[in-house]
Order: sequence, then C-alpha cells, then structure tokens
Amino acid sequence: DAGVTQSPTHLIKTRGQHVTLRCSPISGHKSVSWYQQVLGQGPQFIFQYYEKEERGRGNFPDRFSARQFPNYSSELNVNALLLGDSALYLCASIWGRERDTQYFGPGTRLTVL
Amino acid sequence: GENVEQHPSTLSVQEGDSAVIKCTYSDSASNYFPWYKQELGKRPQLIIDIRSNVGEKKDQRIAVTLNKTAKHFSLHITETQPEDSAVYFCAASLAGRRALTFGSGTRLQVQP
Repeated sequence: DAGVTQSPTHLIKTRGQHVTLRCSPISGHKSVSWYQQVLGQGPQFIFQYYEKEERGRGNFPDRFSARQFPNYSSELNVNALLLGDSALYLCASIWGRERDTQYFGPGTRLTVL
Repeated sequence: GENVEQHPSTLSVQEGDSAVIKCTYSDSASNYFPWYKQELGKRPQLIIDIRSNVGEKKDQRIAVTLNKTAKHFSLHITETQPEDSAVYFCAASLAGRRALTFGSGTRLQVQP
C-alpha cells in the first residue's frame, strides 16, 4: 500500500470551481478505485477503472468524472464544486485474481470554501 | 444495493484485553470482507480480509470470522496494545462489482 501515490495532498477551492486529483497505483496493478471519505464516516465508492475502462460507478452526480491512462494512473475530476464536496478523496490500487483486494493511497484533502 | 452496519461505534478496552467489532451485511451475494485500520489523518490500512468460502482467518493477534447464513462477520483483536487505538472499518464487496461498501467505523481506544 505504501506504493500508491496521490497528488496533491491538500487543496483549497471555492464553490463553483473545478478540481483534478491524481493517483498512481502500485506498480503492476491495473485497476484503481476512487472513494470519498467525509469526516467521521466510512469511505464511499465513486468509480472503479480496470484496463482504462470504467467498471463501476457509485451514487455520485455527473459533476464527478474520472479516467485511467495507459500507464494505469488515474484522474478524478469534480466540476462546479459544492461545500459538501469537502472530504478526503482516496484512491485504491486493486490487486488479486478477483480484483478485490484494495490498498489505499494517502488521499487528497479537499476543502471547498 | 449493499448496506453494511457496524457496531459498536466506540470501544474502550484495557491494554491486554480482547476487542470484538461486529458487522452485518445485507446482500447475500457479497463474497469479500476486508477490515481496515485508520489512524488519525492517515490512509485506511488493510489489516485482514476473508472470502465467503472461508469461515475464519487469523493473523497473529487479529482474527476475522464470517457467518454467511446470518450475514455477519467480526474482527477479534487479542492482547490489545495502545498502538491498536484507531478507527476500524469493515467492508463488503458485491460479487462481480468489487466496489467496497464500508461500515460506519468503530473508534477503538486501548487504555494503558
């Protein structure tokens, strides 16, 4: 899990702005998932990508989008930011034959003012 | 969709005692159940996981049990130490979807 990297570590934005978060999975892992963790709650699933294709989407509005690149890194984009988007955004690098073992990166702390 | 309930929300034990955290899930199709430990300001760290073809799994002081019939699974920590203090999350993965659904977390405090 120490191999999952995310950038930036912290970000402050204002309402209505757009944000891009980045993630690089552990070397050799081809799948990533994105989660949103609001303070005091468990992470909530946003997206999963495998081999550059979207394989799952959680219950989030269309303002949230993501993509995966040929090197398996990923971006999460959020448009028209709302105060409620303030959270820790976690990327998970996924391993295993069943592609279900998930190792989290350090996260990006997003604050929307 | 899947729903995971976790209890208790807080747990305080004396150093050396055992701690048990319980979770129930709603969808009988779920087949993967990991547990994560999250220290303040840090990432969730995978500490143990179990799949539905196994009833129990141990790793040193940590064990997880799964009851598929009752749709619940539990984390057992023996000989607790102050460094075990953290928030613990259970999760369940729906077969074929692989998105983790998390419980609400248990704040474990181990008193020295």
